[in-house]
Amino acid sequence: QTVVTQEPSLSVSPGGTVTLTCGLSSGSVSTRNYPSWYQQTPGQAPRTLIQRTSSRSSGVPDRFSGSILDNKAALTITGAQADDDSDYYCLLDVGGGIAIFGGGTKLTVL
Amino acid sequence: DVHLVESGGGLVHPGGSLRLSCAASGFTFSNYWMSWVRQAPGQGLQWVGSVKPDGSATNYLDSVKGRLIISRDNAKNSLDLQINNLRGEDTAVYYCATAADSSFENWGQGTSVTVAS
Repeated sequence: QTVVTQEPSLSVSPGGTVTLTCGLSSGSVSTRNYPSWYQQTPGQAPRTLIQRTSSRSSGVPDRFSGSILDNKAALTITGAQADDDSDYYCLLDVGGGIAIFGGGTKLTVL
Repeated sequence: DVHLVESGGGLVHPGGSLRLSCAASGFTFSNYWMSWVRQAPGQGLQWVGSVKPDGSATNYLDSVKGRLIISRDNAKNSLDLQINNLRGEDTAVYYCATAADSSFENWGQGTSVTVAS
């Protein structure tokens, strides 16, 4: 069974930079997995941040960027702000029309 | 603007059935794959299935195959999710979302399903 892995929790200081990663139990992540990233605050629907590895969705600030780093998908927040304090989920296409979310990273900005 | 509104959630007994709906507006519904994603209380997101733009094909998470059925009516800009033989593990908020390039672009606000006796 394929598992998508994320750091359970991370913290960053206001103005700092943090990178969240998204890996695959079965091997490396590539652009062919079409990595995407979502932000969610409690009680709210998810918000799409990044699609197709590095394409920012409409209205997403450019402090959010996506990439492939060391065989994992990565979401980097540069110049973190207080309202970036959220849960972040990655999604990977694992083939056969199947998509799997990671378990999520709880990011604390303090 | 894209607008997705889910409905049909509620409290259901184990073994029962429920049909969730998603009303879409603000975009050409018939051009998009559509998906359902759920989130159990205090848990992460889980993709459960998707339907092709013309409704001719569907994909499902293995663990829900045979119990969850996704359908759409492009004439009514509507997406449905039929859940049969409901179990406690189906308790979740269910979101509909537009899908493109193996990712989700726009989300509804969700409808809550609770399975309990």
